[in-house]
Amino acid sequence: IAGITQAPTSQILAAGRRMTLRCTQDMRHNAMYWYRQDLGLGLRLIHYSNTAGTTGKGEVPDGYSVSRANTDDFPLTLASAVPSQTSVYFCASSDPRDSSGELFFGEGSRLTVL
Amino acid sequence: GQNIDQPTEMTATEGAIVQINCTYQTSGFNGLFWYQQHAGEAPTFLSYNVLDGLEEKGRFSSFLSRSKGYSYLLLKELQMKDSASYLCAVVDSNYQLIWGAGTKLIIKP
Repeated sequence: IAGITQAPTSQILAAGRRMTLRCTQDMRHNAMYWYRQDLGLGLRLIHYSNTAGTTGKGEVPDGYSVSRANTDDFPLTLASAVPSQTSVYFCASSDPRDSSGELFFGEGSRLTVL
Repeated sequence: GQNIDQPTEMTATEGAIVQINCTYQTSGFNGLFWYQQHAGEAPTFLSYNVLDGLEEKGRFSSFLSRSKGYSYLLLKELQMKDSASYLCAVVDSNYQLIWGAGTKLIIKP
């Protein structure tokens, strides 16, 4: 089934630990995104990539890094997790050829930092 | 600053009609999305409006007025499965998506 796969689905992490959230898509979309979703707030963009080999900072990039070595994979790394990074993280992709710019989302990764 | 406003929560009855409003103040406008998100799941695309007017898609319709910075999502013949959060998002002048906090819709029998 075509789509976006995220892993892990859920994780509890001690503060100070390093964590990588994985995201893989098989739709050959050039653009990929990482969002965080917190109660009472809209989705906030962390980092994005318009094409393989390029990345950019979103609204809330501090404490996070990304890489885009190929079209399919877009991992998000927390170098040293802090409790304020407790959130649900969504990876998404879009096809620039689609004039609407519709986003396709993964199922989310629920991260708890203690 | 950029701002998207939606009601936090709404309640409606099965079989009825509900209108969820979204007002926005953004730097430029290049389209408006509505997404549906069931609890614990990913958002899924409902509609995209870039021109003024009403777009109908089955039981769901979306309306846009660019001059008023206003959109609404209209849900007809409500079903229990429509209980979800509805997210409004605007594409600004830099083609960045600005998201509202979402409206939680509760459907009662």
